[in-house]
Amino acid sequence: EAGVTQFPSHSVIEKGQTVTLRCDPISGHDNLYWYRRVMGKEIKFLLHFVKESKQDESGMPNNRFLAERTGGTYSTLKVQPAELEDSGVYFCASSQIRNTEAFFGQGTRLTVV
Amino acid sequence: ELKVEQNPLFLSMQEGKNYTIYCNYSTTSDRLYWYRQDPGKSLESLFVLLSNGAVKQEGRLMASLDTKARLSTLHITAAVHDLSATYFCAVRMDSSYKLIFGSGTRLLVRP
Repeated sequence: EAGVTQFPSHSVIEKGQTVTLRCDPISGHDNLYWYRRVMGKEIKFLLHFVKESKQDESGMPNNRFLAERTGGTYSTLKVQPAELEDSGVYFCASSQIRNTEAFFGQGTRLTVV
Repeated sequence: ELKVEQNPLFLSMQEGKNYTIYCNYSTTSDRLYWYRQDPGKSLESLFVLLSNGAVKQEGRLMASLDTKARLSTLHITAAVHDLSATYFCAVRMDSSYKLIFGSGTRLLVRP
């Protein structure tokens, strides 16, 4: 069974550009989460989807970040325009039921120069 | 607000030695996780600790939980190079789904 997969694994963009990260959860997992780790600090929660609905987006840093999950399958996280402080590793995780353990993807390393 | 403090942030140790990583959290929680991450790889779940006094062991790693002290430890016994990775603890708040992570401990086991 395929795990959570994220694309791309690395992305280097210039400040002001747009980047879209993608996450494919484990098939059948309704819950999808985005986290990020900035500058070697703790991993922080960004938002949570249940199917296509956003349940909690309290961790989204500002309105330059837009997450979508059309059709309740894969999710995208767009950063527009990117700033230097957006650099970090963005993790996606999914779980079948909210109260069960979430499985993480390998992360996308975003570098904004 | 739930906060999780993990220490040390970096640990360099020789093979064969023992050491402990500590994870303190600030409010009550219904479960605590330990994860391992190798560079470029996903977070791998090592242990889930649910109750006070819980102890779990897998190979050279042993995790414990003291909910009264709000403290979990990850003990490494007779370290080997293959254990080199970054280890995270994460706490889930009661009745919530968000994980609150510590800063991670980067472990380097030297020959």
